[in-house]
Amino acid sequence: TQLLEQSPQFLSIQEGENLTVYCNSSSVFSSLQWYRQEPGEGPVLLVTVVTGGEVKKLKRLTFQFGDARKDSSLHITAAQPGDTGLYLCAGLSGAGSYQLTFGKGTKLSVIP
Amino acid sequence: DTAVSQTPKYLVTQMGNDKSIKCEQNLGHDTMYWYKQDSKKFLKIMFSYNNKELIINETVPNRFSPKSPDKAHLNLHINSLELGDSAVYFCASSQDFRGGNTIYFGEGSWLTVV
Repeated sequence: TQLLEQSPQFLSIQEGENLTVYCNSSSVFSSLQWYRQEPGEGPVLLVTVVTGGEVKKLKRLTFQFGDARKDSSLHITAAQPGDTGLYLCAGLSGAGSYQLTFGKGTKLSVIP
Repeated sequence: DTAVSQTPKYLVTQMGNDKSIKCEQNLGHDTMYWYKQDSKKFLKIMFSYNNKELIINETVPNRFSPKSPDKAHLNLHINSLELGDSAVYFCASSQDFRGGNTIYFGEGSWLTVV
């Protein structure tokens, strides 16, 4: 079983601050996805990264896939209360694999 | 329109009972899943079906039995419920089972066993 470690586990910041959350593994993933889950809801896909070193931007969110495809980061600029939620990374191992492995998530609270 | 809908949303039941959770997707997807999210928010796959055929069956007690009458439905039946079964169960679907597809999750079914 390939493990994805997410850090920090919890993060509480003031509105307007920047933050970065991390997703690390000792295994190589063919692709990696980030999801956000709000209380009482299911996870919703934010982005999929597939190429080592790839950077994708989604408004104030910047996602990066590590060069070796073992890690990823999510950077949020000028956080807003609407960014509050559980951020989950999920990796897909090797060619032909179709089973996502989820990390345990980072719970983000943005205080107005 | 809800893409992946599951019922019931909340379920409180006693140990030893048998219960079912129903799931339907209207996205025309071929693949459906059941995930379990524990109290620490860890999301783990339980089962996956592609066109009504079981393709993933993780180490789950055989008290859990999925049933897919057609590719738009994947129900989960749980026999002899135990306290440790308390969790949120998410149904999900994707276009097919190839990696990298977007997985669409339902809103979850909160199961509490007392």
